[in-house]
Amino acid sequence: GENVEQHPSTLSVQEGDSAVIKCTYSDSASNYFPWYKQELGKGPQLIIDIRSNVGEKKDQRIAVTLNKTAKHFSLHITETQPEDSAVYFCAGTPPGGSQGNLNFGKGTKLSVKP
Amino acid sequence: DAGITQSPRHKVTETGTPVTLRCHQTENHRYMYWYRQDPGHGLRLIHYSYGVKDTDKGEVSDGYSVSRSKTEDFLLTLESATSSQTSVYFCAISESKGQGTGQETQYFGPGTRLLVL
Repeated sequence: GENVEQHPSTLSVQEGDSAVIKCTYSDSASNYFPWYKQELGKGPQLIIDIRSNVGEKKDQRIAVTLNKTAKHFSLHITETQPEDSAVYFCAGTPPGGSQGNLNFGKGTKLSVKP
Repeated sequence: DAGITQSPRHKVTETGTPVTLRCHQTENHRYMYWYRQDPGHGLRLIHYSYGVKDTDKGEVSDGYSVSRSKTEDFLLTLESATSSQTSVYFCAISESKGQGTGQETQYFGPGTRLLVL
């Protein structure tokens, strides 16, 4: 199946700074890339997603960019706040889009220091 | 959690005993998934369902079985639990199989924490 690599595994930023998390994927046929935020003791929550016909998508302080040529996509969080502290997962669709399954990165633990 | 509940939320059991986890949805979504989450491995797909009585294996299906007799319920069974199945289990749902339909987003339940002693 498709391999989704996520970096860094941990990220610490000062409140108000920006945070960037990057993911790469292996299959050029993949066309759907969601990002999830997981707070301690809770299930992953979708925060933003992007499809391969779009290069960038924004939602307030969160943005995702996609580079199909390089096969990587990134999550950008601006003006970080302590409540942004969580584990973030990227995901991509595997080859053939088998029943909508997703392959997940291993996660990035983001810590925002006040 | 998008109308998804999981039960139990926490369970401690002994090696060799059968365990069944339940996922219940009120969204009438066609697709349901079971994942396990372990440190260093992220989320890994165990089994999924694409309709009532229609299921298939995921990446880590050994030692697990599933059943879906109603649209709203998806059961995960560990026939004989082992310590390696200690994990946090998440159920997810989606409306469509995806690939550009705009409905393939998966929504997750709150999780079940299972400890096998």
